[in-house]
Amino acid sequence: QKEVEQNSGPLSVPEGAIASLNCTYSDRGSQSFFWYRQYSGKSPELIMSIYSNGDKEDGRFTAQLNKASQYVSLLIRDSQPSDSATYLCAADVLLGPNSGGGADGLTFGKGTHLIIQP
Amino acid sequence: GAGVSQSPRYKVAKRGQDVALRCDPISGHVSLFWYQQALGQGPEFLTYFQNEAQLDKSGLPSDRFFAERPEGSVSTLKIQRTQQEDSAVYLCASSLEGPRTEAFFGQGTRLTVV
Repeated sequence: QKEVEQNSGPLSVPEGAIASLNCTYSDRGSQSFFWYRQYSGKSPELIMSIYSNGDKEDGRFTAQLNKASQYVSLLIRDSQPSDSATYLCAADVLLGPNSGGGADGLTFGKGTHLIIQP
Repeated sequence: GAGVSQSPRYKVAKRGQDVALRCDPISGHVSLFWYQQALGQGPEFLTYFQNEAQLDKSGLPSDRFFAERPEGSVSTLKIQRTQQEDSAVYLCASSLEGPRTEAFFGQGTRLTVV
C-alpha cells in the first residue's frame, strides 16, 4: 500500500507566526509532490508543487522536499486567520496492476487541520 | 471554461437508483481524474483518463462504478444501483499533461444515498 502520512492535528498557531506542516510518503518512485488547501465544504485548492530536493518559495509559502528521507513540508510565514484550513499533501504514485503505460495518479494524505489564532 | 466544472453540485439518490456525475475539465487539459472524498479523509483515487483513454481504473470500488470520456473532454462517472456507502463527495480534477503535473479540482458533487 503506497501511503502519504500527515498528522491530522489540529495544529494551532498564533497569528503572525510560522506554521509548519509535515508529510511523509512511502513510494520511493514518487517524483512530484503537491500541497493543497481545503476549506470546510470546499474542494482542494492547489497552493504549491515541488519536484526537486530543497526549498521552493512562493510568497508566504515555502515547500521543502527531502527525497532521501521521503519527507515533504510546507511552511507558512506570517500566518493569517484566513490560512485556517485543512492542508493536504499529495504524491504521485504508480497505482494498480492494470495501470497502462506507466500511468499513475496522486495519493493524498488525510490532511492536517490548521487553526490560526487571532 | 476557466476552471473545472462539475454538475450537479448536490445529488440525493434513493438506494438502488443509478446516478451520473458530470465533469467538464479545463480546456486543453489532457488528463482527467476522479476522486472520492469521505468526510474527514483525503481524496481517494478512482480513475484516470488521458484524452479519451482510461489508463487506470484501479481505484473504482466495485463494478457498479463506471467512467467514460468519449471525446477526450467531458467525463461522466456513473454509479449503478447506489448503496449508502457510496455517499461521499466526488471530485474531478484535470491537469495539462499527466499525473505528475499540477492538477486542479472542480467544486465536487456531494452524493447522498438515502
